[in-house]
Amino acid sequence: KAGVTQTPRYLIKTRGQQVTLSCSPISGHRSVSWYQQTPGQGLQFLFEYFSETQRNKGNFPGRFSGRQFSNSRSEMNVSTLELGDSALYLCASSSLTGETGELFFGEGSRLTVL
Amino acid sequence: KNQVEQSPQSLIILEGKNCTLQCNYTVSPFSNLRWYKQDTGRGPVSLTIMTFSENTKSNGRYTATLDADTKQSSLHITASQLSDSASYICVVTSENSGYALNFGKGTSLLVTP
Repeated sequence: KAGVTQTPRYLIKTRGQQVTLSCSPISGHRSVSWYQQTPGQGLQFLFEYFSETQRNKGNFPGRFSGRQFSNSRSEMNVSTLELGDSALYLCASSSLTGETGELFFGEGSRLTVL
Repeated sequence: KNQVEQSPQSLIILEGKNCTLQCNYTVSPFSNLRWYKQDTGRGPVSLTIMTFSENTKSNGRYTATLDADTKQSSLHITASQLSDSASYICVVTSENSGYALNFGKGTSLLVTP
């Protein structure tokens, strides 16, 4: 059974640009959640989607957005990139909601903003 | 504010030795507590998930304990191996509405030969 796939694995952007990250969940999983991980802050929740609906959103500015498609694949977008957006972005899928089901994480997308 | 505090922040042990990582939380109402292992540059991998009624759970050489009364959990690693070098993250889930996962900042473990 294939795991959670995130693309791209690494990317470099400059300030002011925008970026789109993709996450393909484990087959059959309807929940996809996104996290930002930095050395200082640890893992921070961005948002969760379940059956194409955003269930919850973390405390991030509106520059961070996401969506989920009918096949459960999800994308997150960051507009007007700032240096502080440099981080490892992780997505996780679950057969249930993120709070009740086990989370299976992808390998992450490492974003560097110059 | 719900919080999850992990200690120590970092730890160095010799291969073959045992170690214990701590997680204290103030999350309420409590739903479950999870331990994840994260290798450098990789995504976290689940080690254990414990509900209120469980006070011990094992996964190979990893044993997690939970004391819901004192709101403390520990992760004990037996006979450490070099591959145990990683960050260990404690996550406590609340039953509150809205997003309910509360993350600790992790303990960085280095196992040396």
